[in-house]
Amino acid sequence: AQSVTQLGSHVSVSEGALVLLRCNYSSSVPPYLFWYVQYPNQGLQLLLKYTSAATLVKGINGFEAEFKKSETSFHLTKPSAHMSDAAEYFCAVSRAGGSYIPTFGRGTSLIVHP
Amino acid sequence: DGGITQSPKYLFRKEGQNVTLSCEQNLNHDAMYWYRQDPGQGLRLIYYSQIVNDFQKGDIAEGYSVSREKKESFPLTVTSAQKNPTAFYLCASSRGKGWDANQPQHFGDGTRLSIL
Repeated sequence: AQSVTQLGSHVSVSEGALVLLRCNYSSSVPPYLFWYVQYPNQGLQLLLKYTSAATLVKGINGFEAEFKKSETSFHLTKPSAHMSDAAEYFCAVSRAGGSYIPTFGRGTSLIVHP
Repeated sequence: DGGITQSPKYLFRKEGQNVTLSCEQNLNHDAMYWYRQDPGQGLRLIYYSQIVNDFQKGDIAEGYSVSREKKESFPLTVTSAQKNPTAFYLCASSRGKGWDANQPQHFGDGTRLSIL
């Protein structure tokens, strides 16, 4: 079985501040991990993915995430928030050699203040 | 450009009525999915399909039906048995089948369904 926990349904930051969105996963085998972004009334777009290569993954729009096996975490970060980063962010996990259907977290809404 | 097209963007259902949401993809993807999104609940899987003429129930299939007659198309019918259909519905596709768990999903822009 696999599961994803996103800590904090809402995260609020000031423009220019560090963005940190937390994701912890549970998987009985090596996982594949994804971060998606959703803007209002739109579908999800892939930000980045971890597929067992480099543990530090760089994505679009200046985001990156680090896979930490010992902490079962895949937190999303961005050094400097921009107003356009305000959106809903979803972490998802799927399993190598198992079900390819990903399991999604409940999402974290990022609020960026001027 | 390749992508997924969902229509209509907004849909209203009357009591006792079945409605069908359209999903078309030109990405040549084998797998297609339907999700329901409610505020604060993330994405919940309704149905998915790996190949034409085959599909499986997801976590919340009751009150919904699907068909997969063509690789490009995966329509979802919300039947009158679904008592709380108001939600945002997302269609997605991905490359490959069960061994391609590392492939990301591509999403349409969703259909918002409301009850009249």
